[in-house]
Amino acid sequence: GQNIDQPTEMTATEGAIVQINCTYQTSGFNGLFWYQQHAGEAPTFLSYNVLDGLEEKGRFSSFLSRSKGYSYLLLKELQMKDSASYLCAVLDSNYQLIWGAGTKLIIKP
Amino acid sequence: GAVVSQHPSWVICKSGTSVKIECRSLDFQATTMFWYRQFPKQSLMLMATSNEGSKATYEQGVEKDKFLINHASLTLSTLTVTSAHPEDSSFYICSASKREPHEQYFGPGTRLTVT
Repeated sequence: GQNIDQPTEMTATEGAIVQINCTYQTSGFNGLFWYQQHAGEAPTFLSYNVLDGLEEKGRFSSFLSRSKGYSYLLLKELQMKDSASYLCAVLDSNYQLIWGAGTKLIIKP
Repeated sequence: GAVVSQHPSWVICKSGTSVKIECRSLDFQATTMFWYRQFPKQSLMLMATSNEGSKATYEQGVEKDKFLINHASLTLSTLTVTSAHPEDSSFYICSASKREPHEQYFGPGTRLTVT
């Protein structure tokens, strides 16, 4: 079967750095997405990785290792508004997006 | 950009009635549109995938006669919840994708409450 694992919940301090991990086992791979979802709102796109390595975009970076079936989302200089759920999703060989359950990130002052 | 709109943003209806939700891609042509449902504090659940001009593909456990999907054009898809029941109360979110890189652009969601 297809499976995506990410921690259910994480807590971090304002101004700090947090890394949210995602491991996947899917039938084929055509890219990995990270989305942010605030409570009561729809998800918004953060990043897309299809090749190994680190993609940096401002305070957010996303890393991919296809051989390990592993990705992480790195958030720097955390702000209170970063409190949200972070969803990892993999595009499989049929170009179907397989979703993780999401990681709820709680930021404390 | 890639903007997706959804209408209405929230709706309250009585049990037994039908509700239609519209999803539009405003500045691009969407090869595929997706409908999701999300219950409080739970993950997104894909309900169905639709391509313009063809029948929607429903996920296992989703009743196609209850959740009618019409993908009339490359910019419009509609979801009709027929004979709504209180347990259909949920947050319904649509998304649309271009052919490359298959990123899904989400609408703002529709909060349905069935009384």
